Amino acid sequence: DARVTQTPRDKVTEMGQEVTMRCQPILGHNTVFWYRQTMMQGLELLAYFRNRAPLDDSGMPKDRFSAEMPDATLATLKIQPSEPRDSAVYFCASAIQGAGDTQYFGPGTRLTVL
Amino acid sequence: KQEVTQIPAALSVPEGENLVLNCSFTDSAIYNLQWFRQDPGKGLTSLLLIQSSQREQTSGRLNASLDKSSGRSTLYIAASQPGDSATYLCAVGSSKAAGNKLTFGGGTRVLVKP
Repeated sequence: DARVTQTPRDKVTEMGQEVTMRCQPILGHNTVFWYRQTMMQGLELLAYFRNRAPLDDSGMPKDRFSAEMPDATLATLKIQPSEPRDSAVYFCASAIQGAGDTQYFGPGTRLTVL
Repeated sequence: KQEVTQIPAALSVPEGENLVLNCSFTDSAIYNLQWFRQDPGKGLTSLLLIQSSQREQTSGRLNASLDKSSGRSTLYIAASQPGDSATYLCAVGSSKAAGNKLTFGGGTRVLVKP
């Protein structure tokens, strides 16, 4: 049963600390998305990659957020330095472009910045 | 900029009643539309995806329709069960060239009472 996996599932940190979230897309999926969910803003797209190349990161605060895909099996989202307003659930999703394009979501990382 | 609205924000029905969930969007130039289910504290589960060329999709008790010209989609769930209690999210996909970025509605929280 192929799934998107994310680590850690929960992260509590203090303001100013670096946070790294990891995502393993479904094997064979060539498109990876990062979303953020908050009560106030709902689900928002932060960035996405196709074939490991960044296509759009306009949803991310550039000064503190960075997203990478070191290889086809790993995507990372880093926040440095973290701030209390970054507290949210961060979801990763993967899809096969052109083959239905259904996006499959991971379980999310719940981030709390104190 | 695409805007997606889901009304009502919450819905409570007795078991056995049919559910009708509405989604509206402002820009009819969509690539596809996807309905998701989200259980509390969990990730998103894809229910149905309708391509822009399609009018509806069906899966078991679920049926989703799409009317691009009026900017609307409706998710029907027949003979609701307590296990259908969850938040249902509608997401509109942008053009294929743009990587099918999803814009989400705020969701409809459904409670099915036994």
